[in-house]
Amino acid sequence: QVELVESGGGVVQPGRSLRLSCAASGFTFASYGLHWVRQAPGKGLEWVAVVWYDGNHISYEDSVKGRFTISRDNFKNTLHLHMTNLRAEDTAVYYCAKAKTGYNPLDYWGQGTLVTVSS
Amino acid sequence: SYVLTQPPAVSVAPGQTARITCGGANIGSKSVHWYQQKPGLAPVVVVYDDSERPSGIPERFSGSNSGNTATLTINRVEAGDEADYYCQVWHSSSDHYVFGGGTKVTVL
Repeated sequence: QVELVESGGGVVQPGRSLRLSCAASGFTFASYGLHWVRQAPGKGLEWVAVVWYDGNHISYEDSVKGRFTISRDNFKNTLHLHMTNLRAEDTAVYYCAKAKTGYNPLDYWGQGTLVTVSS
Repeated sequence: SYVLTQPPAVSVAPGQTARITCGGANIGSKSVHWYQQKPGLAPVVVVYDDSERPSGIPERFSGSNSGNTATLTINRVEAGDEADYYCQVWHSSSDHYVFGGGTKVTVL
């Protein structure tokens, strides 16, 4: 069955960096777009970034552009999110999720990993 | 950027019908997906492509999309339907996914 398992969350000071990972199994990894979606405490869902099949087509939400880098390893079936210059407003649960194409929904999600940016 | 607008909250008695709207400019030209999220859990798709249901989702959940409004309808509401619901589209020109602000459904 499909599994997406995030890791790498924790408490980090403002301005520091953190790298999240998402280990995938149970589907043909290279055939799907992989996304990061976050949810601040008590708030709604916010899409963060997508990396499409070969890793060469990438898009970011405006508030993270230039600070976050999404990447994928199609050999290790792993998704990453390298977050730099973190801000308090980046505090959230970060989910990885997959979708076949932009027209398709995010059909499977991981359980999420909590990132807390605080001094 | 493309904006989706949902009512913050909807209250409904058990057995009645809940309707959750999602407003966006010419949203009828886009494929709308709906997610249900219960506390502490990841979101789950309940309707995709405006009106399709994934396997395992009850027929009580349905969707429609036209003009500037998409709607998720939950018939014969049950206590277990109490959750947050989000609409989502793909804004193809920017390759961004967009979520509505979410609607909290309370079963009275």
